[in-house]
Amino acid sequence: AQSVAQPEDQVNVAEGNPLTVKCTYSVSGNPYLFWYVQYPNRGLQFLLKYITGDNLVKGSYGFEAEFNKSQTSFHLKKPSALVSDSALYFCAVNFGGGATNKLIFGTGTLLAVQP
Amino acid sequence: GAGVSQSPSNKVTEKGKDVELRCDPISGHTALYWYRQSLGQGLEFLIYFQGNSAPDKSGLPSDRFSAERTGGSVSTLTIQRTQQEDSAVYLCASSLGGHLNTEAFFGQGTRLTVV
Repeated sequence: AQSVAQPEDQVNVAEGNPLTVKCTYSVSGNPYLFWYVQYPNRGLQFLLKYITGDNLVKGSYGFEAEFNKSQTSFHLKKPSALVSDSALYFCAVNFGGGATNKLIFGTGTLLAVQP
Repeated sequence: GAGVSQSPSNKVTEKGKDVELRCDPISGHTALYWYRQSLGQGLEFLIYFQGNSAPDKSGLPSDRFSAERTGGSVSTLTIQRTQQEDSAVYLCASSLGGHLNTEAFFGQGTRLTVV
């Protein structure tokens, strides 16, 4: 079955350190990959997406993600974490390669950045 | 409006009652989505509207769930004979033309509690 996995419920990192939030997906065709962020008491916000082209995608707030086809991963990264980055992060995948607009979301990873 | 608006923000209902959840998308957005977010789980796709095309209802969990979009704008999600397992946050999103090539904007959600 098509699925998206975020193996870590929570990631803790000190401010100024690099951060990684992991995402893997089940193999199926040419997936379209997305990251969304949910700040406390706010709606989900789009961060970045990979459709095609360069495997390294840059998005909002200094975040980037790398598409790795051989490992079926799309990990979210940032070189230097800020306390304000603390939020719930969701990876999402469209397995239809454009044939459908249905997104399958992961269960989310809570990022906690300590000052 | 400036963003996707959902109402009510909170709804408590008795088991067996019907509820209606409303979504006002961003003006001009042709695509509208409903998702459900349960505690400890990711976002579950429910239904997708795109312009005048037939909606993708493949995510609706049972025939107690239905949704309509009048005039290509406002959408209503109806849950009949509510059950306790329907308790969740129901999120609406809209985009210019689907997730794939444009950013999806999410509302704050409606928190439904069935008692």
